[in-house]
Amino acid sequence: KAGVTQTPRYLIKTRGQQVTLSCSPISGHRSVSWYQQTPGQGLQFLFEYFSETQRNKGNFPGRFSGRQFSNSRSEMNVSTLELGDSALYLCASSLRDATEAFFGQGTRLTVV
Amino acid sequence: GDSVTQMEGPVTLSEEAFLTINCTYTATGYPSLFWYVQYPGEGLQLLLKATKADDKGSNKGFEATYRKETTSFHLEKGSVQVSDSAVYFCALLSGTYKYIFGTGTRLKVLA
Repeated sequence: KAGVTQTPRYLIKTRGQQVTLSCSPISGHRSVSWYQQTPGQGLQFLFEYFSETQRNKGNFPGRFSGRQFSNSRSEMNVSTLELGDSALYLCASSLRDATEAFFGQGTRLTVV
Repeated sequence: GDSVTQMEGPVTLSEEAFLTINCTYTATGYPSLFWYVQYPGEGLQLLLKATKADDKGSNKGFEATYRKETTSFHLEKGSVQVSDSAVYFCALLSGTYKYIFGTGTRLKVLA
């Protein structure tokens, strides 16, 4: 059974650009969550989706957005990138209700 | 709001030593509790979980017991190996579909 797949694994962007990260959950999982991991702030919750509906959102500016498709795949978008957006972005999937989440390997975003 | 506090690292142990990583939490209601492990360059892997008071989660020799009276979920292993070197995260899952993570504890095991 394939795990959570995140693409790309590594990304380098310039300040002011935008970026889209992709996450394919484990087959049959309908809940997808996103987290930002940085050395200074640790792991912070971005948002959670279930059946294409955002059920919760963390304390991030509106530049961070996401969506979920009917096949449960999810994308997150960051517009007008800032240096501080450099981080490891982790996606997690679970069967429902975000219980026992399984994490992908993450996308390492570097903003220069 | 909900929060998780875990001991600062790094923790350095010799192989076969006993490991304890402390974790306490603050939460309304009755959260589920988890330990995740992160190896270099990787995402998080679920190590163990407990969903109600007095539950004991265990996996790969690691154990943790959900103690409601002390709001704790300490991670223990009787004999660590070099391959256990990683960062360990304590986390709780509240009713709002999100995990709250501790800051992580880096473990280094020396041969």
